[in-house]
Amino acid sequence: AQTVTQSQPEMSVQEAETVTLSCTYDTSESDYYLFWYKQPPSRQMILVIRQEAYKQQNATENRFSVNFQKAAKSFSLKISDSQLGDAAMYFCAYIRSSGTYKYIFGTGTRLKVLA
Amino acid sequence: NAGVTQTPKFQVLKTGQSMTLQCAQDMNHEYMSWYRQDPGMGLRLIHYSVGAGITDQGEVPNGYNVSRSTTEDFPLRLLSAAPSQTSVYFCASSYERSNTGELFFGEGSRLTVL
Repeated sequence: AQTVTQSQPEMSVQEAETVTLSCTYDTSESDYYLFWYKQPPSRQMILVIRQEAYKQQNATENRFSVNFQKAAKSFSLKISDSQLGDAAMYFCAYIRSSGTYKYIFGTGTRLKVLA
Repeated sequence: NAGVTQTPKFQVLKTGQSMTLQCAQDMNHEYMSWYRQDPGMGLRLIHYSVGAGITDQGEVPNGYNVSRSTTEDFPLRLLSAAPSQTSVYFCASSYERSNTGELFFGEGSRLTVL
């Protein structure tokens, strides 16, 4: 069965600094998608970034980028120039590219941004 | 465009009571799903649907029922609430059946079962 592991329950970063959140996953599939979702204190989840497994190039969205290491089954999120508004829970998620609609989420990392 | 709307946002039940969490989306999404979020456990899939009349079980379906009579609505029913069902529930939808689509979430419903 596929699993997603986030080993850092909580992280802190100084405003304007860079932080990396870790995510590892386990799958025997070769085609899949990986996501990072943000859950601010308001509770509503929003997509931060998405990576397709068949693409070697790491996805980037403004200050957010990923380090996707397919062989190591690692999918970390780097947040550059951290802002107070980045404080939230961050969830890593996985889904196979075909045959199922079952997204699998990690347990989350709470990010604190220090002024 | 309201997106995904969940009601109620908060609910307190007594053990054994029944209730329905409502979820509606106005984006014509085929895929809809229900998750529960518990501390230290992330989001776990309860049930999902890929279209009207089609539903399937997720990781933790016991104690919950769903139906999908229209594209827009996907209610989650608790027939006999138990304290173990105390949680925050999220409805999410997507317009891409290829699984690559972004999940759009509702604001969540906090349920407490006494």
